[in-house]
Amino acid sequence: QVTLKESGPGILQPSQTLSLTCTFSGFSLSTYGMGVGWIRQPSGKGLEWLANIWWDDDKYYNPSLKNRLTISKDTSNNQAFLKITNVDTADTATYYCARIMGYGGPYWFAYWGQGTLVTVSS
Amino acid sequence: DTVLTQSPALAVSPGERVTISCRASESVSTLMHWYQQKPGQQPTLLIYLASNLESGVPARFSGSGSGTDFTLTIDPVEADDTATYYCQQSWNDPTFGAGTKLELK
Repeated sequence: QVTLKESGPGILQPSQTLSLTCTFSGFSLSTYGMGVGWIRQPSGKGLEWLANIWWDDDKYYNPSLKNRLTISKDTSNNQAFLKITNVDTADTATYYCARIMGYGGPYWFAYWGQGTLVTVSS
Repeated sequence: DTVLTQSPALAVSPGERVTISCRASESVSTLMHWYQQKPGQQPTLLIYLASNLESGVPARFSGSGSGTDFTLTIDPVEADDTATYYCQQSWNDPTFGAGTKLELK
C-alpha cells in the first residue's frame, strides 16, 4: 500500500526559506523508474506543479520558480524534500507530494499525500 | 508552457451523462490525465494516458481524446461525484487545467 505524508512549518515569515518533507511508504525511490513530485494549491485555486525527483537523482523544476526551488531525497529513510527560498504571501498554499507512475513523457501523479498547509505571513 | 483550458463549472442531475472537456494549447499526444478533488481532500487519479481507468475507479468514469482535445465522461453521474475535476498533461513540464467544478442539481 502506497502512502505519502507531507510535513512543514505551518507558518513562516516573508523572506524565510520553506522546508517541506514528504515521508512515504510502499515504494522506494531507489527503484528504477520511481519518482516523487511536489504540487501546490492556494486555497480555492488550482494546482501548480513545482518539481520532480527521480530514482537516479534526476531533478526537474517549474521554470517559473526554478531559481527558488531545491528538491532532494533520502532513500534510506523513504523521504523527499523541497525547499523554497525567499517566500512571500503568494507562496501560501497547501503543498502536496505525489508518487509518480510511469517514466519519461508518459508519467502521472498516481498517489497523493493529504497535503500540508503553509501560510506566509508577517 | 502548455496551457490547458477547461470549462469552469457544470451542473447536472443524478443519472445523467456528463462530459468535461480539456483543450491543450499544443498537441500532447495522449499524455493527458484526469484527477478528482473533493472539498477538503487531496486530488485522486481517475484516468491516465487519456483513456486508461485507474484501478479502483468506477467504470462510470471514462476518458478519450488525443492531440489537443480531451474528454472525461461520467455516465451515469452519482451524487458522490460532486467535485472539481482537473486535467494534467505530461508532454512537457506538467501543467494542470484550472478545474471544472461539477455540481449536482
